[in-house]
Amino acid sequence: QQQVKQSPQSLIVQKGGISIINCAYENTAFDYFPWYQQFPGKGPALLIAIRPDVSEKKEGRFTISFNKSAKQFSLHIMDSQPGDSATYFCAAETSGSRLTFGEGTQLTVNP
Amino acid sequence: SAVISQKPSRDICQRGTSLTIQCQVDSQVTMMFWYRQQPGQSLTLIATANQGSEATYESGFVIDKFPISRPNLTFSTLTVSNMSPEDSSIYLCSVGKTGPWEAFFGQGTRLTVV
Repeated sequence: QQQVKQSPQSLIVQKGGISIINCAYENTAFDYFPWYQQFPGKGPALLIAIRPDVSEKKEGRFTISFNKSAKQFSLHIMDSQPGDSATYFCAAETSGSRLTFGEGTQLTVNP
Repeated sequence: SAVISQKPSRDICQRGTSLTIQCQVDSQVTMMFWYRQQPGQSLTLIATANQGSEATYESGFVIDKFPISRPNLTFSTLTVSNMSPEDSSIYLCSVGKTGPWEAFFGQGTRLTVV
């Protein structure tokens, strides 16, 4: 499987702060880049996704920034809340195919 | 979205035995996948479950160890055969829906092999 590299592995943020998670990919055939949120004991849940024809997508407090030339994309969580504490995975895929996941980032938001 | 039910949610199994995990979706879906998530790790694709034909396995996974069935567009099973402690993981069913493409996951099956 083609790799997707994710950083940092863990992140601690104060309530109200901005959480930033970064991913980089190799395969230029990838055309769909979702982010998943996973709480302990649960399956991953789709949080937000972007296609490479746009540079940014915002949904509420969550924003994806996408840099096609650098083959990088990132998740920004504004006004981070303790309820955002979870593991976040970036992923990439080609249309209709299977996902390749990053290594995951364990986010802790302190009250 | 899609509602995915996996059974069992967890199990503790003896070494050398087999466990079959079921995945039921509330609507017909084109694509169904099985993933493995080892403790504290990311998700690794095991195989794509193809309706009416043999599953497509990723590198490092073989049919004899992980036989998969998909008799229709809403149901699939994954069997973990001849289990060893190294098979202790969370196994996740995922489905894909087109127009636009999205992938959804079940809650997972937490398997412990002793």
